[in-house]
Amino acid sequence: EIVLTQSPATLSLSPGERATLSCRASQSVNIYLAWYQQRPGQAPRLLIYDASNRATGIPARFSGSGSGTDFTLTISSLEPEDFAVYYCQQRYIWPPITFGQGTRLEIK
Amino acid sequence: QVQLVESGGGVVQPGRSLRLSCAASGFTFSNYGMHWVRQAPGKGLEWVALISHHGTRKDYADSVKGRFSISRDSSENTLYLQMDSLRPDDTAVYYCAKVRNPNSIDWDFDCWGQGTLVTVSS
Repeated sequence: EIVLTQSPATLSLSPGERATLSCRASQSVNIYLAWYQQRPGQAPRLLIYDASNRATGIPARFSGSGSGTDFTLTISSLEPEDFAVYYCQQRYIWPPITFGQGTRLEIK
Repeated sequence: QVQLVESGGGVVQPGRSLRLSCAASGFTFSNYGMHWVRQAPGKGLEWVALISHHGTRKDYADSVKGRFSISRDSSENTLYLQMDSLRPDDTAVYYCAKVRNPNSIDWDFDCWGQGTLVTVSS
């Protein structure tokens, strides 16, 4: 099973700042990594697929990078609605499909 | 628009069964693989089960293997999760999720339902 480790667990920033979230895989997942945003009380929403492709309707301030075992989600300038929990997910080796434990992005 | 609506959750005693449903609309259901993902209260996301678009490929998380069964009815545009021998650690919100690409095994999820809460407690 591929284990995904996200860091930091919690990130405290202010609106307008840049956010950098990390996801590290226990073995290579090639580029087959996705990022999701989950706001309180809502279902997850796909942001990025295949490491760097924005999903339909996702603002350009969200970007993804990486390959192999190390991946990054960057939010270039935080908007109030961006404060949420973010999960990475791999689909390279399955079953099982695995998720990271999440990074909580909170307002400083 | 694409929509997934789960139902069937509730409070159930340990050892009992429950069947969840996920009604799909706004897309050609028979062309897309579908998954169940759960989230225990205050916890992260855990993948539960998948079924391919044609229904011939099914896989399960080890934590539910032998107890849960995924199925689909393309004539009704509905996904199911039969959950037997329920345990307290199955307590979670259960989401159904649609895969991004048709006729593929690209298992990332571009649409999720709102979730249905299953509580296993005596």
